[in-house]
Amino acid sequence: NAGVTQTPKFQVLKTGQSMTLQCAQDMNHNSMYWYRQDPGMGLRLIYYSASEGTTDKGEVPNGYNVSRLNKREFSLRLESAAPSQTSVYFCASSVGGHLNTEAFFGQGTRLTVV
Amino acid sequence: QKEVEQNSGPLSVPEGAIASLNCTYSDRGSQSFFWYRQYSGKSPELIMSIYSNGDKEDGRFTAQLNKASQYVSLLIRDSQPSDSATYLCAAYNNDMRFGAGTRLTVKP
Repeated sequence: NAGVTQTPKFQVLKTGQSMTLQCAQDMNHNSMYWYRQDPGMGLRLIYYSASEGTTDKGEVPNGYNVSRLNKREFSLRLESAAPSQTSVYFCASSVGGHLNTEAFFGQGTRLTVV
Repeated sequence: QKEVEQNSGPLSVPEGAIASLNCTYSDRGSQSFFWYRQYSGKSPELIMSIYSNGDKEDGRFTAQLNKASQYVSLLIRDSQPSDSATYLCAAYNNDMRFGAGTRLTVKP
């Protein structure tokens, strides 16, 4: 059982380049999330998808776009990367609903923008 | 605004002691609360979840929830060096928000 799979694990971008982070889950979860983690900042929610076909902004959405391609996949796109987007990105999924259960995390993507 | 606040620490306790971690949240609509442990360079992993007011015990871990005070805590009894990690508090209300985390060091 793979759980939540993120690709790539590491990436270096030049300022202004674009890229898409991929995330897929095989647990039939309704909700999916993208977080970024910077030193001392915990996990900050970028975007989330409470169910297939819906997406909503989180705490720090500027500079990012997302696509909930289907129930399994939730991608995060950086259209024009900036050094401030250097971070570790985590995708997560959960059952969702009124009494949500735990979120399961992918292994993370370490992104450096130079 | 959905905010989750934690004491940033770091918190240092001797081996065998009780470690106490605290968390407050601003969204009164939050229904579910979670404590995650994160080792350096790794993904967060769930330790405890709690949905109802009161205490919930699981081995050496006890989570406490007080919705009236919007307060969640985690007690770790008989702390071990392997408990040294960052502990993240999370609250769920349609999305999941995390605090900044508390770094715990358990000294042998």
